[in-house]
Amino acid sequence: SQQGEEDPQALSIQEGENATMNCSYKTSINNLQWYRQNSGRGLVHLILIRSNEREKHSGRLRVTLDTSKKSSSLLITASRAADTASYFCATDTGRRALTFGSGTRLQVQP
Amino acid sequence: DGGITQSPKYLFRKEGQNVTLSCEQNLNHDAMYWYRQDPGQGLRLIYYSQIVNDFQKGDIAEGYSVSREKKESFPLTVTSAQKNPTAFYLCASSIGTGTNTEAFFGQGTRLTVV
Repeated sequence: SQQGEEDPQALSIQEGENATMNCSYKTSINNLQWYRQNSGRGLVHLILIRSNEREKHSGRLRVTLDTSKKSSSLLITASRAADTASYFCATDTGRRALTFGSGTRLQVQP
Repeated sequence: DGGITQSPKYLFRKEGQNVTLSCEQNLNHDAMYWYRQDPGQGLRLIYYSQIVNDFQKGDIAEGYSVSREKKESFPLTVTSAQKNPTAFYLCASSIGTGTNTEAFFGQGTRLTVV
């Protein structure tokens, strides 16, 4: 089952612009996590936000969580060509494995 | 270096053959997971193990089997019963389920049926 669904499916921006990706989910969660995947590679963890947190920052990343709307957003500020990748949200209910969404493919044009 | 290692990187399977994908971790993690990723898609859970000698089916377990005889190893066998095995397979590990910690992923195995 796809617990998380990302929006948009694809995003193309210019270097220096901000990129915003959204994730919606269906059930109660312990935390929500964002991962990055370069083409043909494994996933790399970016940031984890717990259900009792509303916002979290890590470098150029800002994540928000609205548990009442069951949604999260990932903002990448001042994007770089090296940020080109697919980004996935994953929900953790604490009962089994992470459940991943379908991802957002981000293309940053130099 | 601590991490999670998958092998081989590429694997070719003939129709009707079983193949086994290796996943090893030296992070001392209790939980390990197998996911399948089809082109342009998200990850779907095949099997997961929360502790040695125990494992649970995920959302798409049919045609796959696993074992967890050692803490550091969680091999996945793709059997001939899996009708459409061509995909990218990702193994992951974490300290444990329900611990509010992240998962660490291997670099994946790309399986192709020839």
